[in-house]
Amino acid sequence: DSGVTQTPKHLITATGQRVTLRCSPRSGDLSVYWYQQSLDQGLQFLIHYYNGEERAKGNILERFSAQQFPDLHSELNLSSLELGDSALYFCASSVDTGNNEQFFGPGTRLTVL
Amino acid sequence: GQQLNQSPQSMFIQEGEDVSMNCTSSSIFNTWLWYKQDPGEGPVLLIALYKAGELTSNGRLTAQFGTTRKDSFLNISASIPSDVGIYFCAGAAPADRGSTLGRLYFGRGTQLTVWP
Repeated sequence: DSGVTQTPKHLITATGQRVTLRCSPRSGDLSVYWYQQSLDQGLQFLIHYYNGEERAKGNILERFSAQQFPDLHSELNLSSLELGDSALYFCASSVDTGNNEQFFGPGTRLTVL
Repeated sequence: GQQLNQSPQSMFIQEGEDVSMNCTSSSIFNTWLWYKQDPGEGPVLLIALYKAGELTSNGRLTAQFGTTRKDSFLNISASIPSDVGIYFCAGAAPADRGSTLGRLYFGRGTQLTVWP
């Protein structure tokens, strides 16, 4: 158990819909990262938040957004969902931006029908 | 962006054998990490490397940070059935005006199968 929690574990929805994925980092970690894992693209970095502020963006679609709240939990919002958005979404946390040891949560499997 | 080439893509070995896999990058990394992922689970951090030439062990696992800073290696000795899974290398690049700070680049993984 990495100490990172993610909910829900599974999510099935239809195209065009909007979903919210939630992540709670390990106790004491200030950084939260979101990654997408698909068969064709592998593990891809989406976005990084540190202590409530956005720090870096990867290949995140404009339909996707995230935020980190004062209690340090984070949410990833996916809207206007398409079939190709079906993937595993992982949250990872680390102590701060200078420490690259990232600890991953169990992931949310999103299926868009 | 940085490309990570991980090889081999898959390995089928007998219990007790040693395993080697490697990862190369098109550019310099200042951190190399190795993760293991089981089906339906998140990646689990195995080893972190921070200095060129560094050799670090974690039980039967040994990893090395290549001297060119563009590669890393993972060895598993005396494999056992529970070593089955996908092993990923990941690298963190030096910060580039903050745009890459903290992000990890991942290889495509090595699928390890261990026969009893």
